[in-house]
Amino acid sequence: EAQVTQNPRYLITVTGKKLTVTCSQNMNHEYMSWYRQDPGLGLRQIYYSMNVEVTDKGDVPEGYKVSRKEKRNFPLILESPSPNQTSLYFCASSLWGKETQYFGPGTRLLVL
Amino acid sequence: QKEVEQDPGPLSVPEGAIVSLNCTYSNSAFQYFMWYRQYSRKGPELLMYTYSSGNKEDGRFTAQVDKSSKYISLFIRDSQPSDSATYLCAMSTQTTGGGNKLTFGTGTQLKVEL
Repeated sequence: EAQVTQNPRYLITVTGKKLTVTCSQNMNHEYMSWYRQDPGLGLRQIYYSMNVEVTDKGDVPEGYKVSRKEKRNFPLILESPSPNQTSLYFCASSLWGKETQYFGPGTRLLVL
Repeated sequence: QKEVEQDPGPLSVPEGAIVSLNCTYSNSAFQYFMWYRQYSRKGPELLMYTYSSGNKEDGRFTAQVDKSSKYISLFIRDSQPSDSATYLCAMSTQTTGGGNKLTFGTGTQLKVEL
């Protein structure tokens, strides 16, 4: 089944404790992206990657890092999480040049 | 001013009603227009996408784009309780690297009641 998977689905952590949210897709998509979704603000792009070893900032990159060492994986790293990073995070992927993106199920993060 | 404006609702309608969901935008560079549906505790899933001004129909759903007015709509005919979800409009522009950047509306929460 073609899909985007994210782990973990739910995470509670404390300020400053480094964490990684994994994202994997099995559709051989070149383009991958991370979003956060907050009430009243909608989906905002954090980082995106156009292919292996090619990443760039989205609209709200502060406090986040990403890497793209393999085509299928695109982890999101929070080196020192803060409470304002409490949010619902989505990973998405698409074929290069295609407008339609496929989303993962989401990761709900609470930073205390 | 946000690039994409969408009424957040919530919108509550009886089963069988025609639903109209709308977004306005300010960026003339938007080329593709999409509607995503998001059920509670799920990721957004693509419902429809269009490129040009005009209407596109898919079953009970019709997407309408008016580029001159910078206005897009999604109509749902014969609405069902299973249509209860948040509907997100999204628009794309091409990045300098050749990719596509999506800008989303905040979503309209729809509830279809029996």
